[in-house]
Amino acid sequence: DTGVSQDPRHKITKRGQNVTFRCDPISEHNRLYWYRQTLGQGPEFLTYFQNEAQLEKSRLLSDRFSAERPKGSFSTLEIQRTEQGDSAMYLCASSSGLAGTGNGELFFGEGSRLTVL
Amino acid sequence: GEDVEQSLFLSVREGDSSVINCTYTDSSSTYLYWYKQEPGAGLQLLTYIFSNMDMKQDQRLTVLLNKKDKHLSLRIADTQTGDSAIYFCAESATGGSYIPTFGRGTSLIVHP
Repeated sequence: DTGVSQDPRHKITKRGQNVTFRCDPISEHNRLYWYRQTLGQGPEFLTYFQNEAQLEKSRLLSDRFSAERPKGSFSTLEIQRTEQGDSAMYLCASSSGLAGTGNGELFFGEGSRLTVL
Repeated sequence: GEDVEQSLFLSVREGDSSVINCTYTDSSSTYLYWYKQEPGAGLQLLTYIFSNMDMKQDQRLTVLLNKKDKHLSLRIADTQTGDSAIYFCAESATGGSYIPTFGRGTSLIVHP
């Protein structure tokens, strides 16, 4: 399977714990995006990488959230001191072109579902 | 996405046409998209339209864009039970660094 893969698919944690999600994009894609989706809502943009550079961050990304893409391939999204409001599906997407343009189709993974108790 | 609005539910009979509507607020939107999300799966791009176009047709899918009213629609002809999914409208604009903003999604239910 050469699609976008995310790990873990499900994570249940207690409030205050740290969690980390991993995303492996399609190998030739240099752009990687993180979105968050809560029940009944559409995906909300969190952050974007071009290669290893983090180029955009949403105001939704509080200082408890950090994302990295150290070698321009896989990416990690870490949430520190989780809160119940962090419960959501965290989606990763990659693209070869600039997202939002005609050749910038986003390819999404299946998501990592976080439940904070 | 507060800038993209969609109705939440649509129910149709198999074989009928489905029309899913979307409105957006950003007048500088350049690309508009329709993504499909099936249960347990990631979002998948169905089609997109550039803002200087009025219509785009792709097999059973027809996208209509009214730029004056900032209204986008997706028509699915001969809707099948396999079309049951959540459909997301998304827009991108130069002011938003072209990063797509998504609507809340319309849940399409197709009855046999």
